[in-house]
Amino acid sequence: GGIITQTPKFLIGQEGQKLTLKCQQNFNHDTMYWYRQDSGKGLRLIYYSITENDLQKGDLSEGYDASREKKSSFSLTVTSAQKNEMAVFLCASSGTGGAGAETLYFGSGTRLTVL
Amino acid sequence: GEKVEQHESTLSVREGDSAVINCTYTDTASSYFPWYKQEAGKSLHFVIDIRSNVDRKQSQRLIVLLDKKAKRFSLHITATQPEDSAIYFCAENYNQGKLIFGQGTKLSIKP
Repeated sequence: GGIITQTPKFLIGQEGQKLTLKCQQNFNHDTMYWYRQDSGKGLRLIYYSITENDLQKGDLSEGYDASREKKSSFSLTVTSAQKNEMAVFLCASSGTGGAGAETLYFGSGTRLTVL
Repeated sequence: GEKVEQHESTLSVREGDSAVINCTYTDTASSYFPWYKQEAGKSLHFVIDIRSNVDRKQSQRLIVLLDKKAKRFSLHITATQPEDSAIYFCAENYNQGKLIFGQGTKLSIKP
């Protein structure tokens, strides 16, 4: 089995600050995702990447940048943190081709608080 | 755009009874409908899925039904147990693997 590691687990930032969240996976999966989870709103896709150096925007990409420099890692940057913003950011990965390829494996999340 | 609506935001059932969570979707081209579970303080994990070429799938105490005409799918948990307490998310797969998630249903199992 594999694991998805997100760092940090908790992130506290100031308004206007640029903040970076990191994600590593050892499944050797091609596709990686960043989702934002807000209470009562489910998960919303921010960015995803189908291979190294590929980036695709999700529905919530405004205010975020992403980077996939290696197959195993996918980072997300909040370009200018908004005051009172609180959410959990979830990283996930999935394989390509074959049965079960669509299944997403999630990390444990980064909880963001902006003061 | 495409949407998945999850109808129950909270659901409470007695231990041993069945729980049913309903979702509707808008994209008629959708062909894959997974369900994920999030236990308290933990991240999501996959529990069961259904593809559009069938209308029913069962895995132990979990049953998924798909009604393509009504664009509706549902998760049935039979003989509920305390460890079934969690938030359940339905999702649909569209556009090269992107998943759209519902808002989540918090299921509580009462003794």
